[in-house]
Amino acid sequence: DAEITQSPRHKITETGRQVTLACHQTWNHNNMFWYRQDLGHGLRLIHYSYGVQDTNKGEVSDGYSVSRSNTEDLPLTLESAASSQTSVYFCASSESLGSGNTIYFGEGSWLTVV
Amino acid sequence: QKEVEQDPGPLSVPEGAIVSLNCTYSNSAFQYFMWYRQYSRKGPELLMYTYSSGNKEDGRFTAQVDKSSKYISLFIRDSQPSDSATYLCAIPINNAGNMLTFGGGTRLMVKP
Repeated sequence: DAEITQSPRHKITETGRQVTLACHQTWNHNNMFWYRQDLGHGLRLIHYSYGVQDTNKGEVSDGYSVSRSNTEDLPLTLESAASSQTSVYFCASSESLGSGNTIYFGEGSWLTVV
Repeated sequence: QKEVEQDPGPLSVPEGAIVSLNCTYSNSAFQYFMWYRQYSRKGPELLMYTYSSGNKEDGRFTAQVDKSSKYISLFIRDSQPSDSATYLCAIPINNAGNMLTFGGGTRLMVKP
């Protein structure tokens, strides 16, 4: 079955370190997204991509970057991790169809910055 | 003002109860409305979506949209312990319909 996988599922890192969270989907979806989920804020969009070599900033993009070198992968990089980036991160993907198409989420990556 | 507001709960009900979950939104131009269910330590999964006003039913679940009040609801009939999860309303904010803004989620606990 097609799926979307994230790794690592859990990570503890130190302030100032660079961290990369991987996201891989096997649906061949053009659209991929990274969200973070925090108590009191719900899910907030970090970055998104509509296809290879396309990346766009979302609502909370400061301190994060993404790259899209192929259809399947959208890695999220924290350039210099900060305690405010302790969160649960969800990758998602969807087809390039009209409104109402399903967005599929991965299982999440729990990141703690100490 | 946030685009989508949702009471965080938690909401605790006995098994078999009718549950009402609600969201309000700010932009009257929104057309599609979605409900996602998220189990503990899992990613959200699409439960239902509706277009414009009216009701949509799927088994024990009914989604309702009142565009005049900018109010969306999810009703769960005969609630089960397996319905215990966080329910998030979501609204596409672009024409392609693939960029979502989410409510904060309501945590539901159904007690046997």
